Amino acid sequence: DTEVTQTPKHLVMGMTNKKSLKCEQHMGHRAMYWYKQKAKKPPELMFVYSYEKLSINESVPSRFSPECPNSSLLNLHLHALQPEDSALYLCASSQDLARSKWRLFFGSGTQLSVL
Amino acid sequence: DQQVKQNSPSLSVQEGRISILNCDYTNSMFDYFLWYKKYPAEGPTFLISISSIKDKNEDGRFTVFLNKSAKHLSLHIVPSQPGDSAVYFCAASLYNAGNNRKLIWGLGTSLAVNP
Repeated sequence: DTEVTQTPKHLVMGMTNKKSLKCEQHMGHRAMYWYKQKAKKPPELMFVYSYEKLSINESVPSRFSPECPNSSLLNLHLHALQPEDSALYLCASSQDLARSKWRLFFGSGTQLSVL
Repeated sequence: DQQVKQNSPSLSVQEGRISILNCDYTNSMFDYFLWYKKYPAEGPTFLISISSIKDKNEDGRFTVFLNKSAKHLSLHIVPSQPGDSAVYFCAASLYNAGNNRKLIWGLGTSLAVNP
């Protein structure tokens, strides 16, 4: 199983809503990532978890809250988002942070629209 | 400051011919380079990588060449197939000041392979 599964595939939310994005992998990877990607731009790193601990937070606004309940699962909790937060949110995993050299396995993403 | 540059936003190639995608970088501390391929509304897929101590890496139809003195790498696809039509991202990896590994992405080149 070399898949990273993300749900939902599409999400439309209002600025006062609370929603969560979910990500799952069963490759035994110990590093998991959240990226944000806008059209015609490269992926932009948000958070990295290494062995279920938050390792990197790229100064992301607090309206985005990551959670890593166990080594296979990664969540991104969303609250009070802005329309400019509309983007494709990608989850990725790698063997671990040190050895993988950023060979990442990406999910298909959640296309988020904030109205 | 764009440390990884893909100066061609788009490239069009005939099926069966060679596709050459170029990438330039400015930071000599990069020690690992990767190419990712992305279809619309999907996450990027790892394609091929090269360590800075090598000058060539080949995997099937895909070959990456690294010229460290010129700070330039290129991805060759031979022969090109219509299914190769996608956006190709060049990315480079290094350790930052906090001893965390960072991945710096280029802006991507959109390849169209025409039948």
